[in-house]
Amino acid sequence: GAVVSQHPSRVICKSGTSVKIECRSLDFQATTMFWYRQFPKKSLMLMATSNEGSKATYEQGVEKDKFLINHASLTLSTLTVTSAHPEDSSFYICSASPKAGGIYNEQFFGPGTRLTVL
Amino acid sequence: GQNIDQPTEMTATEGAIVQINCTYQTSGFNGLFWYQQHAGEAPTFLSYNVLDGLEEKGRFSSFLSRSKGYSYLLLKELQMKDSASYLCAVLDSNYQLIWGAGTKLIIKP
Repeated sequence: GAVVSQHPSRVICKSGTSVKIECRSLDFQATTMFWYRQFPKKSLMLMATSNEGSKATYEQGVEKDKFLINHASLTLSTLTVTSAHPEDSSFYICSASPKAGGIYNEQFFGPGTRLTVL
Repeated sequence: GQNIDQPTEMTATEGAIVQINCTYQTSGFNGLFWYQQHAGEAPTFLSYNVLDGLEEKGRFSSFLSRSKGYSYLLLKELQMKDSASYLCAVLDSNYQLIWGAGTKLIIKP
């Protein structure tokens, strides 16, 4: 149980285009979902926290207008990288928790999405 | 500021035991996590400690000392598949997860 999927697993796009990444909790209702970014050989960087039906809470330094997050249902959150540039190339990982609010010991990660912007 | 320290890289031999240390300085404490991450994959949950002491789960054990701001992950009977990065993360007083940079564990035959 507690499976989180991400789609696509890899995406290559041209600079200036927008890319949407989906995160789904397959067998539980995810009250809270988290989006992370990871650079090579670096740790995870939390970008934003989203609760179903409300606006996402972005971490300091993360551009809200560039990284659009939608958590429309209890099983789906999407991250849209708008007007992508090469510096947005990274590994994007989502995680989901069945509990509301903060991060507790039940946090399940998706497999990640490798974004390459040419 | 908030800080999580763990060694960058460790090497161990198949079948042996390795201990990966993590020290932390955070604003408050609501638990410490260990995650395993293979290259190119997302992290997978290994353990969660919120009370002092040792938690054993098969070949993996995790220890916590809150007074020392210290934890370790102990891996026994190492297998080649244990080659991965091991991430230490602390939940602070605001329930924000503070991540360490990870320890890359290399297992040699």
